[in-house]
This record gives sequence, structure tokens and C-alpha cells, in this order.
Amino acid sequence: GENVEQHPSTLSVQEGDSAVIKCTYSDSASNYFPWYKQELGKRPQLIIDIRSNVGEKKDQRIAVTLNKTAKHFSLHITETQPEDSAVYFCAAPNQAGTALIFGKGTTLSVSS
Amino acid sequence: DSGVTQTPKHLITATGQRVTLRCSPRSGDLSVYWYQQSLDQGLQFLIQYYNGEERAKGNILERFSAQQFPDLHSELNLSSLELGDSALYFCASSVDGMANTGELFFGEGSRLTVL
Repeated sequence: GENVEQHPSTLSVQEGDSAVIKCTYSDSASNYFPWYKQELGKRPQLIIDIRSNVGEKKDQRIAVTLNKTAKHFSLHITETQPEDSAVYFCAAPNQAGTALIFGKGTTLSVSS
Repeated sequence: DSGVTQTPKHLITATGQRVTLRCSPRSGDLSVYWYQQSLDQGLQFLIQYYNGEERAKGNILERFSAQQFPDLHSELNLSSLELGDSALYFCASSVDGMANTGELFFGEGSRLTVL
């Protein structure tokens, strides 16, 4: 946590393609890594999360992978659809473990 | 509907003024978080309260202050406003005030425009 870097800042894909967003964190003690999706004009909402005791978690077309050694985690969206267009934020806990520190976001555009 | 209520939804004011943003957390949630969202800075963590006490501080300016009341609602006070304070301010709540035990539920946000 404390410092969370996210890239790319924008990502454009064709419908049906896969999309990958990557984040790195600085605090090696971090143990929880959620991803939030914010549709245009809406509030951020949790879509998937992963804890440090697993390396991968899947939920239908989305998956998150975690590499604790390298201190990075990634969001994978397969078979993208226009409704996947949104801003995606990764996050990790602050040093105290009480609040989430978010990356700067990735704007995903899926064109049909 | 997340159950988190923020007012006002929109606010337009002038530089140098002071405003108060209000947040009511989900029923049963003890912790409230304030985040600032501007175009180039993503979701910046400002401050967290748990059961009336400040629990964590982020990048909150000295001109900004917050508190959580006994009924658990929270207010974010922004003073001596500058053009750069124009942003969407989100409140979020969680049950136990720990980042790794569950979802943060966000309100719809308060959009502040400083002219």
C-alpha cells in the first residue's frame, strides 16, 4: 500500500479482445488487493479482490493475479464487451491496514 | 444504491469560501472514509474515521478538516477554497474500519466547483 502505481492510464480494445491492467505496490506487508470499477458518472464499485495467500482468482470473465515477490498484481478481462468500458482502479491497504490507497485509474474503452 | 448518502450532490462556490459536505454511512458501518477525485489524480485518500475517532490520514490539506458525529454521520469541511479544490468528493463506509476485511461502499459523490 501507501504507493500504488497503475498502468496503462488508458486502454482501447476491440470487443472480444482481452484487456490487462497492471499495478505495483510499495509495502511488502500489504495483504489485500481489490479492483474497483467506476462507470461514467457513477460511484466506484468492487468487482474482484485477492488476498496474499493466493496467486490467482477468477470470476467469470475477470481474473486477478498476484505476484508478491515482485509486488505487482493485474486485472485480466477476457472477451471484452462494450459494457466493460469504464475506469478501473486497483488498490492496496495503507501502512496501518485501515484504508485503501488507490492507483490513478485506467480508462478502458471497448469498441464494437 | 450503496446505502451511503452524500449531500449536496452539486455545489458551486467562489474562491476563498468555505463549504461543508455531509455523509451518512450504511446502516451498521462504523467507519467513514473521504476521497477526492480529480481528473489527473484518481481517487486520493483524504481521511478516515472509525466510531467517532480519526483513524488514518492521507493527503488532506490543512485547509480541510473532518469529523464523525455520535450518530456516525461525517462532515468534510473545506475552507479558503481555491480553484484547484474543484473535484468530486466521495464518502465511503465499511463495517470495521479495516481495509482488508471487505468492500468499501461509496456514495454518489459531491461535485464541488470553485469559480
